[in-house]
Amino acid sequence: SQTIHQWPATLVQPVGSPLSLECTVEGTSNPNLYWYRQAAGRGLQLLFYSVGIGQISSEVPQNLSASRPQDRQFILSSKKLLLSDSGFYLCAWSVGTGLNEKLFFGSGTQLSVL
Amino acid sequence: AQSVTQLGSHVSVSEGALVLLRCNYSSSVPPYLFWYVQYPNQGLQLLLKYTTGATLVKGINGFEAEFKKSETSFHLTKPSAHMSDAAEYFCAVRPSYGGSQGNLIFGKGTKLSVKP
Repeated sequence: SQTIHQWPATLVQPVGSPLSLECTVEGTSNPNLYWYRQAAGRGLQLLFYSVGIGQISSEVPQNLSASRPQDRQFILSSKKLLLSDSGFYLCAWSVGTGLNEKLFFGSGTQLSVL
Repeated sequence: AQSVTQLGSHVSVSEGALVLLRCNYSSSVPPYLFWYVQYPNQGLQLLLKYTTGATLVKGINGFEAEFKKSETSFHLTKPSAHMSDAAEYFCAVRPSYGGSQGNLIFGKGTKLSVKP
């Protein structure tokens, strides 16, 4: 069966420090991969998605970047965190197409930038 | 463009009472609509989705939602709340064509509390 791992669960980082959040998927190949963020008082917002290794699409211009070095690995990074980067980050993957497409989420990372 | 509004960031019901979580959407094209649930310390799980066909959609754990185009609503209901239903619920929309399912627009979420 397929599983998605996202870590860490919580993270406290000072302003200006770098960030690296990792997400890996097991039990499937060539999934679509996604990073979402939920800032305080706002809905989940799609940040990046990837349809293959090295292919990254950005939905919202920001201080963050994403990379997909391997088929089932998706990394969210920042060189210098801002206070506004605080939020709840969710990784997700999907399989299938059209009406049969299914989306699966990781358990999330609560990031606090102080 | 699509958007989702969930009325009430926090809803509290008694065990056994009706659960009603409200969701209104706006979409310039026929939408696909979703409800996701997030239990404490877990990832989001799909509760149910509306794509085409019957407007009353049944999901897991006794939840259902009705797509009402005239009201642009997709409210989530359950006849009798259980303590295990305490979680955060997210309504989401995406256009019925173009893009992958990941290109969802989510509401802000509604936290459901169930009192004994």
